[in-house]
Amino acid sequence: DGGITQSPKYLFRKEGQNVTLSCEQNLNHDAMYWYRQDPGQGLRLIYYSQIVNDFQKGDIAEGYSVSREKKESFPLTVTSAQKNPTAFYLCASSPDKPRGLLRQSGQYFGPGTRLTVT
Amino acid sequence: GNSVTQMEGPVTLSEEAFLTINCTYTATGYPSLFWYVQYPGEGLQLLLKATKADDKGSNKGFEATYRKETTSFHLEKGSVQVSDSAVYFCALSGSTGFQKLVFGTGTRLLVSP
Repeated sequence: DGGITQSPKYLFRKEGQNVTLSCEQNLNHDAMYWYRQDPGQGLRLIYYSQIVNDFQKGDIAEGYSVSREKKESFPLTVTSAQKNPTAFYLCASSPDKPRGLLRQSGQYFGPGTRLTVT
Repeated sequence: GNSVTQMEGPVTLSEEAFLTINCTYTATGYPSLFWYVQYPGEGLQLLLKATKADDKGSNKGFEATYRKETTSFHLEKGSVQVSDSAVYFCALSGSTGFQKLVFGTGTRLLVSP
């Protein structure tokens, strides 16, 4: 079945350590996204990628980094520079093309990774 | 910039009651509008969408109509079930350029037997 997988579901790290969250999709989607969700709040966009080897900062990119070396994969690294990294992280993809074609398709989300940093 | 405003939750209903969750938006042009649902501990699922004025999106008994004149996209269901308990997010994507979703803050729905 096609879908988006995120691993692990729960992740625990010590403060000062970098941590990488995995996101893989087999939907053949061009665009991928990373969001952060905090309790009682909506989703905030961290980074997005419209195509392989290209990505852009979202609204809260500070303290995060990404790569897009393959169409299927869009890993997110939470660095030690992120001041408040404990959150629920959601990856999404959409079939949208660069230059805004197919812009109305909506996004498809993975199950999320809950990161706790102590 | 684009924005979405949802009614505050939680919304508490008894099973078989009628549901309305209000959503209004601010955007230039003709955005696409979406409702997503999030069950506890899970990611978001696309519930329904509408891409132009007066379109009605529907799925699993839920409906929402894109009202350009009132800039609204209210979610409705005629008879809720306990299994509908979740957080519902209204979202929009702009009418030009690459699709970036703008989300509301979410509305928690609690349905009791």
